Amino acid sequence: QQQVKQSPQSLIVQKGGISIINCAYENTAFDYFPWYQQFPGKGPALLIAIRPDVSEKKEGRFTISFNKSAKQFSLHIMDSQPGDSATYFCAATDMNRDDKIIFGKGTRLHILP
Amino acid sequence: ETGVTQSPTHLIKTRGQQVTLRCSSQSGHNTVSWYQQALGQGPQFIFQYYREEENGRGNFPPRFSGLQFPNYSSELNVNALELDDSALYLCASTSTLGRDEQFFGPGTRLTVL
Repeated sequence: QQQVKQSPQSLIVQKGGISIINCAYENTAFDYFPWYQQFPGKGPALLIAIRPDVSEKKEGRFTISFNKSAKQFSLHIMDSQPGDSATYFCAATDMNRDDKIIFGKGTRLHILP
Repeated sequence: ETGVTQSPTHLIKTRGQQVTLRCSSQSGHNTVSWYQQALGQGPQFIFQYYREEENGRGNFPPRFSGLQFPNYSSELNVNALELDDSALYLCASTSTLGRDEQFFGPGTRLTVL
């Protein structure tokens, strides 16, 4: 059973456009929702994270939108740049139980120059 | 760079062999988690160590075992290797169990022939 479902599997966006990646979760005990960015040959790096008590968090060009009732959250990358080309993972954690990270399957993002 | 290092970078083994992967956590981090990332998939939680004790385990068989040392370095041992064990193995460290960001190392790419 996949606890965090991520879509799309791959995404191509023109430079300057908006990249949108969507995720849905099942476990209502999840209380921390990070997004990771992974470049080839590297480990995942935390990009931005949100807790369910807020509906949106913005850091620079990156925004998380969170809908607790629908159990969905999404990553928006504004003014997408070729350097943003990477694999993005949404994830969820129940911090009260342990900090095991449950990852989605990932989205390969390619920004066209 | 996260300050988390892993060795070796790449490793090739044959089915049935045993392997030991090593991780050096960021200074001051007393919690380490290990993840398996199959090609094209998100990382999957193997287990976590907190102050040298196992503190949670994912859906992996007992032939996956670990150790954490007083200097917070750690090992992942896999016995009786199977072809499906071919993956990127990631370790992640954090300073406070269940409260802070986990920092991932670059991973060890294991190929089982």
